[in-house]
Amino acid sequence: EAQVTQNPRYLITVTGKKLTVTCSQNMNHEYMSWYRQDPGLGLRQIYYSMNVEVTDKGDVPEGYKVSRKEKRNFPLILESPSPNQTSLYFCASSPSPGQRGTQYFGPGTRLLVL
Amino acid sequence: AQSVTQLGSHVSVSEGALVLLRCNYSSSVPPYLFWYVQYPNQGLQLLLKYTTGATLVKGINGFEAEFKKSETSFHLTKPSAHMSDAAEYFCAVSENSGGYQKVTFGTGTKLQVIP
Repeated sequence: EAQVTQNPRYLITVTGKKLTVTCSQNMNHEYMSWYRQDPGLGLRQIYYSMNVEVTDKGDVPEGYKVSRKEKRNFPLILESPSPNQTSLYFCASSPSPGQRGTQYFGPGTRLLVL
Repeated sequence: AQSVTQLGSHVSVSEGALVLLRCNYSSSVPPYLFWYVQYPNQGLQLLLKYTTGATLVKGINGFEAEFKKSETSFHLTKPSAHMSDAAEYFCAVSENSGGYQKVTFGTGTKLQVIP
């Protein structure tokens, strides 16, 4: 089944404790992206990647890191999480970085930083 | 810079009534427009999209949207609401920015369907 998977689905952590949220897609998509969803703000892009070893900042990159060492995986790293990073996070992939590309979303990771 | 405005963060309709969710956009170039739906505790999934060609676009589950360039709108409609339509709906606009798909989402509209 074609899908985007994220792990973990739920995570509670404390301020400053490094964490990684994994994202994997099995559709051989070139383009991958991370979003955060907050009430009243919709989805905001954190980072995106056009292909292996090619990443760039989205609209809200502060406090986050990403890497793209393999085409299928695009982990999101929070080196020193803070309470304002409490949010719902979505990974998405697309077969094309061009305008026509539809994005396929993972199920989301709900993060609480205490 | 592109932007999307969704009027109404919450919309309630009776089962069987018309669903109308409003979306207006701004874009410096001809946009590609999307509607995504998010069911509780799930990720977003594509409902429909406009790229080029026919301005009335049909999507899944009986939804459709019409691209009106003169009004910069892309409103989502469904003739008869079903209980299973209760979800959050996001309008999005996509522009080519330096060779990649810059997608901007609206703030979402939660649809409640009343029995």
